[in-house]
Amino acid sequence: QVQLEESGGGVVQPGESLRLSCAVSGFTFSDYAMHWVRQAPGKGLEWVAAISYDGRNTYYADSVKGRFTISRDNSRDTLYLQMSSLTREDTALYYCARDVTVGVTTRGYFDCWGQGTLVTVSS
Amino acid sequence: DIVMTQSPDSLAVSLGERATINCKSSQSVLSSSNKHNYLAWYQHKPGQPPKLLIYWASTRESGVPDRFSGSGSGTDFTLTISSLQAEDVAVYYCQQYYSIPYTFGKGTKLEIK
Repeated sequence: QVQLEESGGGVVQPGESLRLSCAVSGFTFSDYAMHWVRQAPGKGLEWVAAISYDGRNTYYADSVKGRFTISRDNSRDTLYLQMSSLTREDTALYYCARDVTVGVTTRGYFDCWGQGTLVTVSS
Repeated sequence: DIVMTQSPDSLAVSLGERATINCKSSQSVLSSSNKHNYLAWYQHKPGQPPKLLIYWASTRESGVPDRFSGSGSGTDFTLTISSLQAEDVAVYYCQQYYSIPYTFGKGTKLEIK
């Protein structure tokens, strides 16, 4: 069955960097655009970034643009989120999510999600 | 950016009764080219990832019970649970995918009365 498993979360200080990974199985990873969505404690869902199925196109929320980089390794069935210059406002549970449609740059809604990995930015 | 506004923030409904959640977008999410509304609904239970319920405003995702339905067009949308079950307790989010950045409503917490 379809599985997405995030890893790499942890506690970091403001200004530091962190790289999240999302290993997938159960579907052809290279066919689908992928996303990162986060949820700050006690808050709602916030879309963070997207990457097309082939990695050629990337998109970011304004809140992370210039600080976060989404990437993928289709040979390893893995999605990444490189986060730098972290602030307390980046504290959240980070989910990776699969875009619904095969072969398009991004449709923009999500049919499969991982369990999330927690990032805490604190001094 | 398209702002999604949900109402109410929380809702308590008796088992077997109807629950209605509203979502309003700050601009239309109806495509003039394909006549689709770029609007999805998710159910989010504690300790679990969000679950897709509805897309294109009214199309039920495979496996979602038919007591869940979506309606609306343009800027005003509704998620209806026709007969509330105990397992429907969750936070519900609407999301627009008409334009990037994709944006969610702040969520509606649904509880049992």
